[in-house]
Amino acid sequence: SAVISQKPSRDICQRGTSLTIQCQVDSQVTMMFWYRQQPGQSLTLIATANQGSEATYESGFVIDKFPISRPNLTFSTLTVSNMSPEDSSIYLCSVADLLRGNTIYFGEGSWLTVV
Amino acid sequence: AQTVTQSQPEMSVQEAETVTLSCTYDTSESDYYLFWYKQPPSRQMILVIRQEAYKQQNATENRFSVNFQKAAKSFSLKISDSQLGDAAMYFCAYRSPPGRETSGSRLTFGEGTQLTVNP
Repeated sequence: SAVISQKPSRDICQRGTSLTIQCQVDSQVTMMFWYRQQPGQSLTLIATANQGSEATYESGFVIDKFPISRPNLTFSTLTVSNMSPEDSSIYLCSVADLLRGNTIYFGEGSWLTVV
Repeated sequence: AQTVTQSQPEMSVQEAETVTLSCTYDTSESDYYLFWYKQPPSRQMILVIRQEAYKQQNATENRFSVNFQKAAKSFSLKISDSQLGDAAMYFCAYRSPPGRETSGSRLTFGEGTQLTVNP
């Protein structure tokens, strides 16, 4: 399976600041995705990161709050802007592995706490 | 839109015994993928097993197997010879085939089942 590295793994952030999460994959992938997991809850897709074009956001998520970059086929970033305590979550990067039936694999996650 | 339901918020099993986690889903599609993911306290999502809807044979991965009932839209996970390391949150997930616009990319998750393994 693809090896997916996320940074930071954990951080404590001040209210009103922004934080950028990086996702690096060890192979070229067409589809990269960003999920959010709020405390005690399941995962929710934020957006699909497309190389060479703007990200596609899910209902309830907007580019101003969660800007995404996808400069090449192995890297993406998610920024959580103007953070509030409600943004305290685990953010997970994931990719679709076309060689393995389009199975989706996840990075280790970035655990953000906003104080 | 597809939905995934896990009706068991918590389950427990004795070490070395067998446990079955339930999952049902709702879809109008005939072709799709189903997955079980494990999330230990480290919070990383680990793929446990995958099933393609067009395959009648149930998927098996070592001690993990599924009972896929397409007509009933049921996809349960059986863990045999349970080990302490199996303790985790388990998520059932649905995915449309690629090419279905953005919905083909999305994993729809159930709410999860917290599995405890007792020594």
